[in-house]
Amino acid sequence: GDSVTQMEGPVTLSEEAFLTINCTYTATGYPSLFWYVQYPGEGLQLLLKATKADDKGSNKGFEATYRKETTSFHLEKGSVQVSDSAVYFCALTKPSGYSTLTFGKGTMLLVSP
Amino acid sequence: NAGVTQTPKFQVLKTGQSMTLQCAQDMNHNSMYWYRQDPGMGLRLIYYSASEGTTDKGEVPNGYNVSRLNKREFSLRLESAAPSQTSVYFCASSERLLGFSNTEAFFGQGTRLTVV
Repeated sequence: GDSVTQMEGPVTLSEEAFLTINCTYTATGYPSLFWYVQYPGEGLQLLLKATKADDKGSNKGFEATYRKETTSFHLEKGSVQVSDSAVYFCALTKPSGYSTLTFGKGTMLLVSP
Repeated sequence: NAGVTQTPKFQVLKTGQSMTLQCAQDMNHNSMYWYRQDPGMGLRLIYYSASEGTTDKGEVPNGYNVSRLNKREFSLRLESAAPSQTSVYFCASSERLLGFSNTEAFFGQGTRLTVV
């Protein structure tokens, strides 16, 4: 079945550091890929998405590129802020009439001043 | 705009007790979902409702039942709670099923349930 694998956390960075959170997937066909963010005490929010190979999703300074050749969708940000501290989830859906989100286990990011 | 609202936010149950988690959305979405979130496990789908009047099992449906009361509301019931059901439960909704392009899921703030 479909699956998503993320790097384990927590990832601990200082403010203004460069962030990479790795995400790889296993799925047949051409899934859509997502990054969701969960701030402390809150539900998940869509951060960015990409629906086809080589697409780049971006939002709030975060970027991720859909790499079909390596089945990856790594999340990057050039300069993190304390307010970026959260849990980040990589997820996919299949382009079919029925599909739901398949999530990775999540990666906690902690940014210190 | 409230989005997806879940009640209650916190609940403690004794083993064997029953309870219903409520979820309502005000975005006129057709599809709704229940997920559970456990440490190190990510989110796993319990049940979903593609549209009003339909419900289907997800990845981990055992021990749960659902009701799509109307287009706005989708409830999750635990008939006889077990400690293994201690988790954070999230309700989500989307305009249509997520396999369609440009469809985004919106999540509630979660219900933290402890079964002792």
